[in-house]
Amino acid sequence: GESVGLHLPTLSVQEGDNSIINCAYSNSASDYFIWYKQESGKGPQFIIDIRSNMDKRQGQRVTVLLNKTVKHLSLQIAATQPGDSAVYFCAEGSGGSNYKLTFGKGTLLTVNP
Amino acid sequence: ETGVTQTPRHLVMGMTNKKSLKCEQHLGHNAMYWYKQSAKKPLELMFVYNFKEQTENNSVPSRFSPECPNSSHLFLHLHTLQPEDSALYLCASSQERGASGSRHEQFFGPGTRLTVL
Repeated sequence: GESVGLHLPTLSVQEGDNSIINCAYSNSASDYFIWYKQESGKGPQFIIDIRSNMDKRQGQRVTVLLNKTVKHLSLQIAATQPGDSAVYFCAEGSGGSNYKLTFGKGTLLTVNP
Repeated sequence: ETGVTQTPRHLVMGMTNKKSLKCEQHLGHNAMYWYKQSAKKPLELMFVYNFKEQTENNSVPSRFSPECPNSSHLFLHLHTLQPEDSALYLCASSQERGASGSRHEQFFGPGTRLTVL
């Protein structure tokens, strides 16, 4: 079946370094992708999204890259800070009138001071 | 704050109890969702409501019963649960426009941490 998954379940970086979190998806019909951040004790929080007609989108300190050829999505965080420590989920969306998001397992990012 | 609130934040119940989870969204959205989040698993979609009508039941056991009285409120009624139902239950909402190129961002509440004894 179709699935969304993450290459690395955990990632540990030094404060100030750049972080890259990867995600693979398999549904070629997906037309929308989102990255969420979930801190301990909280619900997932939107970070950035990208539509399938784009290959790159930038936000504040974050960049999402979409490679449809290999069905790969990545989240880049510049100058990672301790407050960035959280679980990061990718999600892919597809469907018409009954649109659904399918979530990956998540990557735990730990930022060391 | 995401504009989606959930109560209670924590709930402990026995297998014979009946309880309800409540979700309220203050964003004017037309779609609401229940998800189950268990340890080391992806978010599992349980139910979807669009304009108060249930459009998705993702093979959820009947011991979970959703209710959507209006587009701002969503309930999850629980009865005769099992210990394996212990998880974080997340509510989300979105504004579905149905047009190509639309964003489908879902806004999540903080969740209810449910423990079934």
